[in-house]
Amino acid sequence: KNEVEQSPQNLTAQEGEFITINCSYSVGISALHWLQQHPGGGIVSLFMLSSGKKKHGRLIATINIQEKHSSLHITASHPRDSAVYICAVPLSNTGNQFYFGTGTSLTVIP
Amino acid sequence: EPEVTQTPSHQVTQMGQEVILRCVPISNHLYFYWYRQILGQKVEFLVSFYNNEISEKSEIFDDQFSVERPDGSNFTLKIRSTKLEDSAMYFCASSVYYEQYFGPGTRLTVT
Repeated sequence: KNEVEQSPQNLTAQEGEFITINCSYSVGISALHWLQQHPGGGIVSLFMLSSGKKKHGRLIATINIQEKHSSLHITASHPRDSAVYICAVPLSNTGNQFYFGTGTSLTVIP
Repeated sequence: EPEVTQTPSHQVTQMGQEVILRCVPISNHLYFYWYRQILGQKVEFLVSFYNNEISEKSEIFDDQFSVERPDGSNFTLKIRSTKLEDSAMYFCASSVYYEQYFGPGTRLTVT
């Protein structure tokens, strides 16, 4: 049983397209992370959110705690956005141990 | 901007050897973590560390693994006797509370 499910697993988009990546989880959480993993392997934290919506540049993350669902949107996508996007939720209220989704591999074509 | 650093970036070792992976967390952070990612698989939690002791650990983190904060800046992961299946990318992270900042990772290859 997967506690964190992401969709789609793979996504190819044309430059400029609006992109949505979805994350559904089955455990109760206090906060959710969206992470970006570059082709070289490094991981960058994009957002941590516990309610509503956050925006950073062309990235927008939303979460619905009641529905146990979060989305990551990328507006005006660019080839440099090509990466794996990972959703992670904490196992416990301490927030230390995370379940990670399998990631969504995004390729943006010029 | 402060960042988490890890050394080495790539470590090759023979099966049965001990390895120590090093991390320098962000200086004012209180929580420290190790994760691993086997090639092609998802990231997995290994251990979290707070106030000089392990606060949580996963099933993966067995007696072959240990963590230490030997001084005020370094946070290390030791694998006592490496196995082929320990080959993976190992990420360190640190946080003030919930939001974690990840290091660039150490690729461990066990031959």
